[in-house]
Amino acid sequence: GEDVEQSLFLSVREGDSSVINCTYTDSSSTYLYWYKQEPGAGLQLLTYIFSNMDMKQDQRLTVLLNKKDKHLSLRIADTQTGDSAIYFCAENREYSTLTFGKGTMLLVSP
Amino acid sequence: DGGITQSPKYLFRKEGQNVTLSCEQNLNHDAMYWYRQDPGQGLRLIYYSQIVNDFQKGDIAEGYSVSREKKESFPLTVTSAQKNPTAFYLCASRSGDSMNTEAFFGQGTRLTVV
Repeated sequence: GEDVEQSLFLSVREGDSSVINCTYTDSSSTYLYWYKQEPGAGLQLLTYIFSNMDMKQDQRLTVLLNKKDKHLSLRIADTQTGDSAIYFCAENREYSTLTFGKGTMLLVSP
Repeated sequence: DGGITQSPKYLFRKEGQNVTLSCEQNLNHDAMYWYRQDPGQGLRLIYYSQIVNDFQKGDIAEGYSVSREKKESFPLTVTSAQKNPTAFYLCASRSGDSMNTEAFFGQGTRLTVV
């Protein structure tokens, strides 16, 4: 299938904001998701956005959606060392399967 | 506690052997999925099942087989036909009621061929 694209690596300092970007392919995707994976573990849902929304805020997390450009971003405010992980964006495909990007490794330094 | 459980956490297989990875959920979810994760490759869909006794191939089904005899269970068999089986395998489940349902993931099984 067509790919969901993400940058592979992001490094920030503790206290800074992090912005992770994603481009998706299926214009009919109704929901887009951000998942977090810590080392050696499964994926945990962070947040999601419905395709008729431009923005969603949830505490330190802000999701921006540009449907025209099929661009999704996740902003983490006041990034902490505990936020170091791999972040995946995902889109709904047919038959309720999720298609994931390759993941962005976020490294937060003290 | 409701959740999705994969076992074992680590698995070693000799070349030429079949091996079965377990995935059990007690969330009463209709849909279950198997993904394979390789470094730098993200998650790729192997098989999925939306209802008991029915399943479909994902993007990389060759060399794998599944069954869905019970709602709670979706075991994955990695056969000797899978050329490069060493990877991290993730199982997930979702309620099938709508497009906006969270997928819950197990903690994964790391399979190594020795």
